[in-house]
Amino acid sequence: AQSVTQLDSQVPVFEEAPVELRCNYSSSVSVYLFWYVQYPNQGLQLLLKYLSGSTLVKGINGFEAEFNKSQTSFHLRKPSVHISDTAEYFCAVSGEDSNYQLIWGAGTKLIIKP
Amino acid sequence: DAGVIQSPRHEVTEMGQEVTLRCKPISGHDYLFWYRQTMMRGLELLIYFNNNVPIDDSGMPEDRFSAKMPNASFSTLKIQPSEPRDSAVYFCASSLGGLGYTFGSGTRLTVV
Repeated sequence: AQSVTQLDSQVPVFEEAPVELRCNYSSSVSVYLFWYVQYPNQGLQLLLKYLSGSTLVKGINGFEAEFNKSQTSFHLRKPSVHISDTAEYFCAVSGEDSNYQLIWGAGTKLIIKP
Repeated sequence: DAGVIQSPRHEVTEMGQEVTLRCKPISGHDYLFWYRQTMMRGLELLIYFNNNVPIDDSGMPEDRFSAKMPNASFSTLKIQPSEPRDSAVYFCASSLGGLGYTFGSGTRLTVV
């Protein structure tokens, strides 16, 4: 069965510093990978997704993620964060194991320090 | 496209009352999902539909919860009777083929 692990429940980082939010998954078959962002008191918004092709995926708001099949990871990165990036970030996976429904990580709160 | 539309945005009700949450998915999407989000339990999938047919309702916590999708453009989640522990944010999401969901803004339910 598929599962997703987000290794950090909270990540504090200074404004304009780089950030990496970690995501590892387990699956016995090919997967599709997603990052969603949830701003305070809002719904979840798709940040980026990997379906196939290039392993480096660019998303909205300057975020990118790299699919690493050998390490079963899909870490999210941004070279310079802004106060407006304060949000919770969810990694999710889908594939044949889950009947193509999303399996969610527990989320990582990104805390931007001024 | 207006996105996934949920109503109401906020609902405050007394314990024992019936609560109905509504969702209008994106036109053309064939999957619809109901989620519940709380601080303690995070994001939980309650039920999902494919082409208006319920596929998996194993996440529905109790018989007090029911969901319907009478047509491709409307779904309801009903709680009867409501209890304080049902207080949460309820999200509806839709997708085409299951590859990436679009979420609504959610309904914040408070049962007092």
